[in-house]
Amino acid sequence: DVKVTQSSRYLVKRTGEKVFLECVQDMDHENMFWYRQDPGLGLRLIYFSYDVKMKEKGDIPEGYSVSREKKERFSLILESASTNQTSMYLCASSLFSGTGASSYNSPLHFGNGTRLTVT
Amino acid sequence: GQQVMQIPQYQHVQEGEDFTTYCNSSTTLSNIQWYKQRPGGHPVFLIQLVKSGEVKKQKRLTFQFGEAKKNSSLHITATQTTDVGTYFCAGRGNYGQNFVFGPGTRLSVLP
Repeated sequence: DVKVTQSSRYLVKRTGEKVFLECVQDMDHENMFWYRQDPGLGLRLIYFSYDVKMKEKGDIPEGYSVSREKKERFSLILESASTNQTSMYLCASSLFSGTGASSYNSPLHFGNGTRLTVT
Repeated sequence: GQQVMQIPQYQHVQEGEDFTTYCNSSTTLSNIQWYKQRPGGHPVFLIQLVKSGEVKKQKRLTFQFGEAKKNSSLHITATQTTDVGTYFCAGRGNYGQNFVFGPGTRLSVLP
């Protein structure tokens, strides 16, 4: 069974701090994603990666950066945390299957989430 | 850009009643996925629909993809307390790589 592990369940940081959220998956998935979840807004994609050292911006990348030095690990970085970044952060991974359009059809496997509070 | 809407936002039902959530996209979708998130949990994949007009069933859950591939629905027959949670649809456009999630429908089931 796929396991996606996020390093912290709860995190409290101060405004201006640099914050690292870590995510590790154990199923050799090529694709990894970072979402934030806010009430009434669903899941919004921050950044994603389809390969080691590769990263692409999602829908709301401002204020965030990512790092993927190893296939199994995808880190989300808040360079200078702000109160509007208080949210639930979800990491996900998926298999890169097939070619063309079908390569993006694999289900997402989510971690348990990190609830970040910035004060 | 692509937008995915869901209605209703909340639904309270008595155990045994049916429940339906609707998902609508601003653009034609290539495929759509449905996820369930239990309270305090993370989203878990339920199903994927790819073909126009496709209908898939999982026990008491029926998933439908519209003929125009711009909408989808999830219907639960005779709800149980184990159905409690938030149901998300996620649609991928014809030229998009990633799925866009709807805001979700939170289901409460009263015993």
